[in-house]
Amino acid sequence: AQSVTQLDSQVPVFEEAPVELRCNYSSSVSVYLFWYVQYPNQGLQLLLKYLSGSTLVKGINGFEAEFNKSQTSFHLRKPSVHISDTAEYFCAVSRQGGKLIFGQGTELSVKP
Amino acid sequence: DARVTQTPRHKVTEMGQEVTMRCQPILGHNTVFWYRQTMMQGLELLAYFRNRAPLDDSGMPKDRFSAEMPDATLATLKIQPSEPRDSAVYFCASGSRGPPPKNIQYFGAGTRLSVL
Repeated sequence: AQSVTQLDSQVPVFEEAPVELRCNYSSSVSVYLFWYVQYPNQGLQLLLKYLSGSTLVKGINGFEAEFNKSQTSFHLRKPSVHISDTAEYFCAVSRQGGKLIFGQGTELSVKP
Repeated sequence: DARVTQTPRHKVTEMGQEVTMRCQPILGHNTVFWYRQTMMQGLELLAYFRNRAPLDDSGMPKDRFSAEMPDATLATLKIQPSEPRDSAVYFCASGSRGPPPKNIQYFGAGTRLSVL
């Protein structure tokens, strides 16, 4: 069985500061890893994905994440956040073509 | 611009009424997922279909929920009778089985359901 743990439910940060949203997963088989972003009253938008290859993946809006197999982590980072990055961020895992298992979400709040 | 379309976007109904939510997957995608989002449970899978056949509906309360794909362009999720605890946002997502990037799921904007 697979599971995802997002270690922080809320992350407040000031504008232009760096941010890291933490995600750990457990799985007995190889999985694909995703970060989705949800803006208020909207659906989920794919931010980035790790499918194979380079462990550092870059996504939209200046976000990146690093897959660490030994630590079973897939932390999301951005060197300088904007007010517009305020949203909820979900880490998720799946097997090939299968259902997504989501973490509980991290609410990123960027303050001026 | 290919996207998953969900209707209605908002639904307010009274307890005991039937609710039908619809989803149009991205053309060419053969897998459709239904997820539910609540404050308490977060995002959880209700059911999913591949090539219109149900593959997993273990997350769905069987006594009142049903999911179908009458054709490749339409998926439906029905609740009958609805209860206040069904109030949530219901998301549809579509994708394909296969090697990356085919297996990426794309989400609709959701149906926000309020059962009074």
